[in-house]
Amino acid sequence: QVQLQESGPELVKPSGTLSLTCAVSGGSISSPNWWSWIRQFPGKGLEWIGEIYHSERPNYNPSLKSRVTISVAKSENQFSLRLSSVTAADTAVYYCARNVNWGRTFDIWGQGTMVTVSS
Amino acid sequence: DVVVTQTPLSLSVTPGQPASISCKSSQSLLHRDGKTYLYWYLQKPGQPPQLLIYEVSNRFSGVPDRFSGSGSGTDFTLKISRVEAEDVGVYYCMQSVQIPPYTFGQGTKLEIK
Repeated sequence: QVQLQESGPELVKPSGTLSLTCAVSGGSISSPNWWSWIRQFPGKGLEWIGEIYHSERPNYNPSLKSRVTISVAKSENQFSLRLSSVTAADTAVYYCARNVNWGRTFDIWGQGTMVTVSS
Repeated sequence: DVVVTQTPLSLSVTPGQPASISCKSSQSLLHRDGKTYLYWYLQKPGQPPQLLIYEVSNRFSGVPDRFSGSGSGTDFTLKISRVEAEDVGVYYCMQSVQIPPYTFGQGTKLEIK
């Protein structure tokens, strides 16, 4: 059973860069799946950030595209998120998720990690 | 972006009674491939969202048959035939007909009376 686990700093300073990693266990990052980052704001709204496939260019939410980088580390079986120039509006729970390969949705999610942007 | 709007934003239901949540999209979710890309999730307290329904009306693995989805075009509905205590949480609809980005509704909080 595939499991996902997010890790990274819980506190990031304004104008800094948020960096998170999602470790994939029980399966391979090179399986025929895309992998996504999704965040949930304190008011509970969900926002898709972007997705990556192990051998293709990532897709990003146009609203975040200028600040986001998603990458894969095959040897470590993980993928990562970098979000630059953060502000308090980027405070959220960040989830990594697996895209299904039979549709356009997400079937497995990590437990999420809360990231606060504050000085 | 395709906007999806849920109503109501909250509802309180007596156990054993039915519940219904509406999701409307700003454009048709019917793709030229013939599929309709509308999904339903439930987020239980302290957990990530879990997939309930895919492509309008198909229950995901392990989802009880008291959950059903229906609709077409821009109007969709999630129904729970008999609400149980374990159904509490926030329900989200999500569209993926036009990506990026995938977009979610605001969520509907279900409470038990």
